[in-house]
Amino acid sequence: GENVEQHPSTLSVQEGDSAVIKCTYSDSASNYFPWYKQELGKRPQLIIDIRSNVGEKKDQRIAVTLNKTAKHFSLHITETQPEDSAVYFCAAHFLISGSARQLTFGSGTQLTVLP
Amino acid sequence: DGGITQSPKYLFRKEGQNVTLSCEQNLNHDAMYWYRQDPGQGLRLIYYSQIVNDFQKGDIAEGYSVSREKKESFPLTVTSAQKNPTAFYLCASSIDGPVYSNQPQHFGDGTRLSIL
Repeated sequence: GENVEQHPSTLSVQEGDSAVIKCTYSDSASNYFPWYKQELGKRPQLIIDIRSNVGEKKDQRIAVTLNKTAKHFSLHITETQPEDSAVYFCAAHFLISGSARQLTFGSGTQLTVLP
Repeated sequence: DGGITQSPKYLFRKEGQNVTLSCEQNLNHDAMYWYRQDPGQGLRLIYYSQIVNDFQKGDIAEGYSVSREKKESFPLTVTSAQKNPTAFYLCASSIDGPVYSNQPQHFGDGTRLSIL
């Protein structure tokens, strides 16, 4: 089936440093890639998304880049703060049949920002 | 996303029992989804519905059933056929279903189901 691989599974950075999380996907027809942040025991919250007609999108300290040729996309967090500590999930829309698409998630990255 | 309400927050299932998880949204979204999350893993799609009275199986539908009689409601029943039901269940909704366009999904607070 369709697959999204996410790396690393855990990431520790010092406060103020940058963090990068990478995902690869298998379906070259995928055209929507959201990122979610999930704090312990809480709901995933959409933090940024990108569509295949752009290569990069930025929102304050968060940016996402997309390389359609290589089929990978990355989340970049700059000037990390302790409140950035959480599990981050990438996802990709996959074609199921006809024009129906399904969102498939990566396995998550536990980010810890050390004060 | 205060517009999606899941209940109960915690649920316990006895052997051979069916249990139903509630999901209600007041966002006027057409599409609704159910995901299962196991510790240390990502979200896996159980069922989704793009419009009222229509729903489709996701990747792990066996042992689960759903209904979509109203736009705002998409309850999930975990049947006795689901032998390993212990997990965190998340409901989500989006403006349009997967067919139409790439719209973000917004999640409820989840229900944690355990076996007694």
